[in-house]
Amino acid sequence: NAGVTQTPKFRILKIGQSMTLQCTQDMNHNYMYWYRQDPGMGLKLIYYSVGAGITDKGEVPNGYNVSRSTTEDFPLRLELAAPSQTSVYFCASSPGLAGGGRELFFGEGSRLTVL
Amino acid sequence: GQQVMQIPQYQHVQEGEDFTTYCNSSTTLSNIQWYKQRPGGHPVFLIQLVKSGEVKKQKRLTFQFGEAKKNSSLHITATQTTDVGTYFCAGDQTGANNLFFGTGTRLTVIP
Repeated sequence: NAGVTQTPKFRILKIGQSMTLQCTQDMNHNYMYWYRQDPGMGLKLIYYSVGAGITDKGEVPNGYNVSRSTTEDFPLRLELAAPSQTSVYFCASSPGLAGGGRELFFGEGSRLTVL
Repeated sequence: GQQVMQIPQYQHVQEGEDFTTYCNSSTTLSNIQWYKQRPGGHPVFLIQLVKSGEVKKQKRLTFQFGEAKKNSSLHITATQTTDVGTYFCAGDQTGANNLFFGTGTRLTVIP
């Protein structure tokens, strides 16, 4: 019953540091997504992937990078962390196109603070 | 770009009162989904509406999709403390690879 697993759950970074948020799903979903959620705001799409080897930008991709070497894994890389990247990050997966009749399954989130 | 607005941003109700949140899109949607996020938790899928004018019920929750497919509502009858959380609508245009999430309505239920 793992579903979508994200690590770490919490992390504090200094400005300029880099890190990778890990995301793994065991549902054999082709579609995976990274969202960020800021206080009082909805979820904004950072990057998404429609299958291994294929990724594309979402609404707010600047400052982030992704890769999708396997169906299961979709890590999110933060380069040169900035205070504006302080947020809660959610990874999600879907059997098909999000909104195309396919619900999103979310991980439990990763709370990142950049000081 | 597509925008999905949600009102109200916050709602406090006494336990047993009804609650409604409204979702409005700047463009016609192919479908709309609703999610619930408990405090400190992650969004969990509730339902999807596809047809114009569609109404679906889940126990005390009633979901509606507008005739023009540009707005939607979620109504909870006789709220309970277990209803506490933030409710998000999320919609997309035909062929889009992304769900555009509303800003959410945070519901507090006072016992």
